[in-house]
This record gives sequence, structure tokens and C-alpha cells, in this order.
Amino acid sequence: NAGVTQTPKFQVLKTGQSMTLQCAQDMNHEYMSWYRQDPGMGLRLIHYSVGAGITDQGEVPNGYNVSRSTTEDFPLRLLSAAPSQTSVYFCASSSHVVGGMDTEAFFGQGTRLTVV
Amino acid sequence: GESVGLHLPTLSVQEGDNSIINCAYSNSASDYFIWYKQESGKGPQFIIDIRSNMDKRQGQRVTVLLNKTVKHLSLQIAATQPGDSAVYFCAENIKTDKLIFGTGTRLQVFP
Repeated sequence: NAGVTQTPKFQVLKTGQSMTLQCAQDMNHEYMSWYRQDPGMGLRLIHYSVGAGITDQGEVPNGYNVSRSTTEDFPLRLLSAAPSQTSVYFCASSSHVVGGMDTEAFFGQGTRLTVV
Repeated sequence: GESVGLHLPTLSVQEGDNSIINCAYSNSASDYFIWYKQESGKGPQFIIDIRSNMDKRQGQRVTVLLNKTVKHLSLQIAATQPGDSAVYFCAENIKTDKLIFGTGTRLQVFP
């Protein structure tokens, strides 16, 4: 059981480049989300999805796009990378939307992105 | 605005002692809270959660206490072990599909 798989693990981009961070889960979870984690700060929600075809913005959505064409996949796209987007990105999934007891969210291992 | 913060950025405890990690939240409408553990180079791992209609919830070696009057959340770890060394985050949910995370507390366990 792979759980939540993120690729790549590491990436270096030049300012202005675009790329897609991949996230896949094999647990048939409806709820998926993307966070970024910066030094000295907690995780901040970028975008989330409560099911296939449905996405919504989190706390820091600017500069990122998402889509949810299947239950399994939730890619995060950086349209034009900026140094401010240097961070560690985590994808998470859970069986229910947040708020239900014991709704454990499973996180991927993270993607460390550096924009130069 | 919505915010969750922690009182102590680093907590050092001796192996075998109990640890208490604190968290303050600002939104009285928050109704669900989670504690996560994050080891170096890994994603956060769910520890325990609690709803606002509860004051206390116990798991294996961990207890979460919620004081809604002062908007304070704590995580107690009994008989702290070296494997408990990590960064611990509290997170709150405010009747939405979003989790708001705090900045984290680093727990260091020494022999």
C-alpha cells in the first residue's frame, strides 16, 4: 500500500519556469490538499479538493493551479516560478473532509522546491 | 483573523519524563483540533484529534486537553522516548474544509 506518493522529491527551477508537482493516493480518499512549509512556519494550505471535479482555494493560492480529474490524482501547477515559492510542498489525503473524528490525513514525503 | 500559535518553539525533556506541548488558538469558532508529529525529512503524521465538545481525549501514551475558555490546546506525552523527538504541530478547523496549522514546537529528548 503506497499511501500518498509525491514526485519529484527534489526540484530546482529557474525564475519564470513552470512545472507540475504530482500527487497520487491509492486509498480512494475523497479529500486531497496541498500545503507548503517554510522554515519557522507551519504548513499553509494552498488548494484543496473534496472530490473529483471540485477544487477550492486555501490560504496561499496565488501562483498555483490545481485540477482533480480523478479521485487518485491531484497535481499542483506552478505557472511561473518565483523565488518566493521556494519551499517544501506536501500533499495530503483523507477519507472525509476535515472535521470528522479520527479523520486521519495522510501526508506524502514532500517535494523540496528551490527557485533560483 | 484565523491563527494558531505555540508558546514554546523548543522543548527539551529527559527520557522517561512526561512532555507537555502547548498551543493557543485565536478563533473561538474552531470546533476541531488535531496534533501532528513531523520527523526530519518526513511528512506530518496524525497523532490525535479532539472536537470542541470534548475537554480531553486519550490515546496511547498521548493525551490532548482542550480549554475553550482560554482557547488553549495541549498535548501530553507520557514517558517520553527518544523516538518522540520531532516537531509537533497543532491544527484547527473552523467549520470548513480547511485546516490551519500552528508554527510548530520542536521536542528534544535527551538520555
